[in-house]
Amino acid sequence: AQSVTQLGSHVSVSEGALVLLRCNYSSSVPPYLFWYVQYPNQGLQLLLKYTSAATLVKGINGFEAEFKKSETSFHLTKPSAHMSDAAEYFCAVSYGQNFVFGPGTRLSVLP
Amino acid sequence: DAGVIQSPRHEVTEMGQEVTLRCKPISGHNSLFWYRQTMMRGLELLIYFNNNVPIDDSGMPEDRFSAKMPNASFSTLKIQPSEPRDSAVYFCASSSMFGETADTQYFGPGTRLTVL
Repeated sequence: AQSVTQLGSHVSVSEGALVLLRCNYSSSVPPYLFWYVQYPNQGLQLLLKYTSAATLVKGINGFEAEFKKSETSFHLTKPSAHMSDAAEYFCAVSYGQNFVFGPGTRLSVLP
Repeated sequence: DAGVIQSPRHEVTEMGQEVTLRCKPISGHNSLFWYRQTMMRGLELLIYFNNNVPIDDSGMPEDRFSAKMPNASFSTLKIQPSEPRDSAVYFCASSSMFGETADTQYFGPGTRLTVL
C-alpha cells in the first residue's frame, strides 16, 4: 500500500531560522505530491504541489519543496521562519484515484 | 468560486441524537471526501465518492455512520445514534482528476461536533 511518512510530529524553530519539514513517500507509480497547511480552527489549505514538471516547486508564503525521486522525498523548506508560519503541515501523495495524507507535523516558531 | 461549503459550522448535541452534516462541493469537481480529525487519531478518511458513487467507505467507523451523495452538488454524513467519542471536527473536501490522477483536494472549513 502507498504511504506517506513525516519525520517529527513536532518541530520547533526560532523566528528567522530555516524551516525544514520532512516527507517521504512510497509509490510504485509516479505520484503527484502536495503540501498542505492547517492553521488553528481552520481547514487544510494547499501550499504547493508537484505534478511531474519542475522538481523544485514554489508555493505560497515563501515555502518551496523539492521532489527527489532517488530518495522518494518531498521535503518542505522556507529560508526564514515567521511567527505566522506556526501551524500543522501535511504532506500528501496521489496516485490514480487514491489520495493519502501523512500524519502531519506541528511547527512551532519561537520568538 | 465560494469553495467547499459545510454546514453547520458547530453542532452540540446529546448522546443518542441523530446528527446530519452537510457539504456542497466546488462546482465541476467529481470527487468528494469526508474526513474526521481529532487530537488522538489525527486526520482520518471516512469515505469518498467519485461521480456521486461511494468508492471506498472502509474508514467509516461503524454502522452508526452513513453518507450519501444524491447529486453532484450535495452530500451528507449522518451519525445515528451519536456518542461522545464521535466528538471531532469533520471536514469535507472535493477534487477533480488531473488526467488519470487525483488532483488537489480543496477543504471546507469543517464542522465541529460535540456530543455530550
